[in-house]
Amino acid sequence: DQQVKQNSPSLSVQEGRISILNCDYTNSMFDYFLWYKKYPAEGPTFLISISSIKDKNEDGRFTVFLNKSAKHLSLHIVPSQPGDSAVYFCAASGASGSARQLTFGSGTQLTVLP
Amino acid sequence: NAGVMQNPRHLVRRRGQEARLRCSPMKGHSHVYWYRQLPEEGLKFMVYLQKENIIDESGMPKERFSAEFPKEGPSILRIQQVVRGDSAAYFCASSPSPPFPNTEAFFGQGTRLTVV
Repeated sequence: DQQVKQNSPSLSVQEGRISILNCDYTNSMFDYFLWYKKYPAEGPTFLISISSIKDKNEDGRFTVFLNKSAKHLSLHIVPSQPGDSAVYFCAASGASGSARQLTFGSGTQLTVLP
Repeated sequence: NAGVMQNPRHLVRRRGQEARLRCSPMKGHSHVYWYRQLPEEGLKFMVYLQKENIIDESGMPKERFSAEFPKEGPSILRIQQVVRGDSAAYFCASSPSPPFPNTEAFFGQGTRLTVV
């Protein structure tokens, strides 16, 4: 039972264009959402987060949008750079059990082409 | 200020052996989390510990797996009698206080366990 889903395993974008990574969730108890970036052979690195009381959070080139009614969030990267090529994980927190655990999606491999 | 340190980075064990994975949290962090990533999948929560206490082990298999975070020293994830299905990347994360949304958790580079 996947509570956080990233339906696109991969995405390729030209350098300078916008990258849009999508994530859907099923558990309405989630109240905090995060995006992590992961390079091969490294641990996930926190990128940006959003609380369920907001619908948008922006940090430099990265913006996360949350649509609670659709249980959908997206990460926009603009402009995309070759160094952004990595696996991006969507994660959520606040569901049943410990509110301190994260539930991760399966990830989207982003490739930014020069 | 060193990040979360995990060792070993790579561990090979034969079926039936024990695997011990170590995690030293960032300085000042007293909350530790273990996650497992199977091939082609996202990270799955295993256990959440504070110093000397297991807070949430709802993601931990009931048998063969155990975790501890002693007063002194690193957190240890122990897998007894390993099987091929235990082959995965095991990530540790730490935070100074309960995270989400108050603070974030920082991940280590992981230990890649291969059972042969």
